[in-house]
Amino acid sequence: LAKTTQPISMDSYEGQEVNITCSHNNIATNDYITWYQQFPSQGPRFIIQGYKTKVTNEVASLFIPADRKSSTLSLPRVSLSDTAVYYCLVGDENAGNNRKLIWGLGTSLAVNP
Amino acid sequence: NAGVTQTPKFRVLKTGQSMTLLCAQDMNHEYMYWYRQDPGMGLRLIHYSVGEGTTAKGEVPDGYNVSRLKKQNFLLGLESAAPSQTSVYFCASTRRDMGRETQYFGPGTRLLVL
Repeated sequence: LAKTTQPISMDSYEGQEVNITCSHNNIATNDYITWYQQFPSQGPRFIIQGYKTKVTNEVASLFIPADRKSSTLSLPRVSLSDTAVYYCLVGDENAGNNRKLIWGLGTSLAVNP
Repeated sequence: NAGVTQTPKFRVLKTGQSMTLLCAQDMNHEYMYWYRQDPGMGLRLIHYSVGEGTTAKGEVPDGYNVSRLKKQNFLLGLESAAPSQTSVYFCASTRRDMGRETQYFGPGTRLLVL
């Protein structure tokens, strides 16, 4: 069962690039890596997902090394509105009736002016 | 298109009382999940459903029951509430595409059990 480890908190300033790394040493062959963002009093929101190498969308990039034992969420030029908790999720999306969805404890990102 | 809605938004129960949390989605998704979120514990999967009429246990199912009589609705029941069930409950509806999943979360239900 894949367990994820993330830094508890990070601080940054507006305009900087922020990289949050998640460790998932026991990731299984079929596991995808997904990152979610959560604001206070709201449910998590999907940011980005990948299986290997690099994925980029309009809000972030996800870097996954060849051994897939970690992944790094990269937020370019953060703003105050990026202050949130970021979760790394590793799960076997093909587990059918035996779902294994392991959420990390999240990284609380504080963006300062 | 409301996405995922949850009712109620907030509830206070006394120990031993029962209640049902309702999750509704209008995205025609097959998979739906119920999570609880506690400080310092992250999100933990309670029960889930892979389609209408099916349910299965997640990581922390004890003390909860679920039903998925209609595809768009996923109900979470507490038959006899306990203070340990004080938590924020999130429902998620899941889009599956080429083996990948994207979860869409509701706004949450805050439950306080006295």
